Amino acid sequence: GDSVTQMEGPVTLSEEAFLTINCTYTATGYPSLFWYVQYPGEGLQLLLKATKADDKGSNKGFEATYRKETTSFHLEKGSVQVSDSAVYFCALSSRDNTDKLIFGTGTRLQVFP
Amino acid sequence: EPEVTQTPSHQVTQMGQEVILRCVPISNHLYFYWYRQILGQKVEFLVSFYNNEISEKSEIFDDQFSVERPDGSNFTLKIRSTKLEDSAMYFCASGGTPEVFGPGTRLTVL
Repeated sequence: GDSVTQMEGPVTLSEEAFLTINCTYTATGYPSLFWYVQYPGEGLQLLLKATKADDKGSNKGFEATYRKETTSFHLEKGSVQVSDSAVYFCALSSRDNTDKLIFGTGTRLQVFP
Repeated sequence: EPEVTQTPSHQVTQMGQEVILRCVPISNHLYFYWYRQILGQKVEFLVSFYNNEISEKSEIFDDQFSVERPDGSNFTLKIRSTKLEDSAMYFCASGGTPEVFGPGTRLTVL
């Protein structure tokens, strides 16, 4: 079945460092891909999305490109801030009749000043 | 901006008791979902609901679980006889591609 694999955390960075969180997927067909973020004590917020190959999703300085050839959707940010500390979830929507989301295990990012 | 709301934010119950978790989805959305997240683990799909019936459910969603849209606005998840392993954060979501999530209900089963 469809699945998402994320790099394990925690990822620990200093402020203004470059961030990459790797995400690869397995799916039949052409899923939509998402990054959700969960700040401490809060729910899931959509960070960005891409619905077809070579699309780039971006928001709040974060970017991810839908790479069909490598089945990847890596999250990047050029300069992280302390306020970016959160858990980041990669997810896919398999475009079946329900559009349910399949999540990766999440990657905790800790940014220190 | 429209949002999904959930009540209560935290529910504590004794093993074997029934609980009902409530959600108010975004009003013009047609698909509704429940997910759960056991502490420190990934978010798992439980069930999707469309046109007043379950459209898909996962292996987790056994006979102890049920969902209902009783009045056209609320969307509820009932667990008939809670077990210790039901302790988790339960998220309601509505819409699709992307789904909009509520803030979650933390269920603690003692």
